[in-house]
Amino acid sequence: SQQGEEDPQALSIQEGENATMNCSYKTSINNLQWYRQNSGRGLVHLILIRSNEREKHSGRLRVTLDTSKKSSSLLITASRAADTASYFCAMGRDYNNNDMRFGAGTRLTVKP
Amino acid sequence: EAQVTQNPRYLITVTGKKLTVTCSQNMNHEYMSWYRQDPGLGLRQIYYSMNVEVTDKGDVPEGYKVSRKEKRNFPLILESPSPNQTSLYFCASSPLAGVREQYFGPGTRLTVT
Repeated sequence: SQQGEEDPQALSIQEGENATMNCSYKTSINNLQWYRQNSGRGLVHLILIRSNEREKHSGRLRVTLDTSKKSSSLLITASRAADTASYFCAMGRDYNNNDMRFGAGTRLTVKP
Repeated sequence: EAQVTQNPRYLITVTGKKLTVTCSQNMNHEYMSWYRQDPGLGLRQIYYSMNVEVTDKGDVPEGYKVSRKEKRNFPLILESPSPNQTSLYFCASSPLAGVREQYFGPGTRLTVT
């Protein structure tokens, strides 16, 4: 069963706007990762945040983690048409293995 | 180039005909995993392996087998495929030590008629 749920399921914005995607999970985690998937292709890792971190940045990406609410958000600033993809959160449950559980994803469309 | 490869990329087969999807990584990763992706369900883990000769069931292992005889290879075996195994399959790998991202293969689209 999935451990995470993304919200919204689909998001459509104009180029230049910011996109925010949320992820909620059910059990305790060691880390949370965000991945991007272009249609029908493999997932590409974007950013990893550990359970003792609250916020991380990578270029135009900003990820927050609230372990008390069991939720995370991914913000893409100044979006581009090339950001159009599906975005998945993945919960890493244990430091000693890399077993992860993925959410169902948010489909982001950025209109030029 | 560091990568995870899968073969075949596309496969159409019939119910009951045994098939194997290969997965290979050239990064010397200990951890490897198979996922299936279905619309609206995201990725669900089928099996994973933390090292050679060590495999464990994921969330949806029924109807699948795996083996890990070599570190670089992690084939997925469908002994008797059924139409409900029609899906997009991904192999992934990562180093085991510590918290690491997973590297994904390009996917195998399987159709079972």
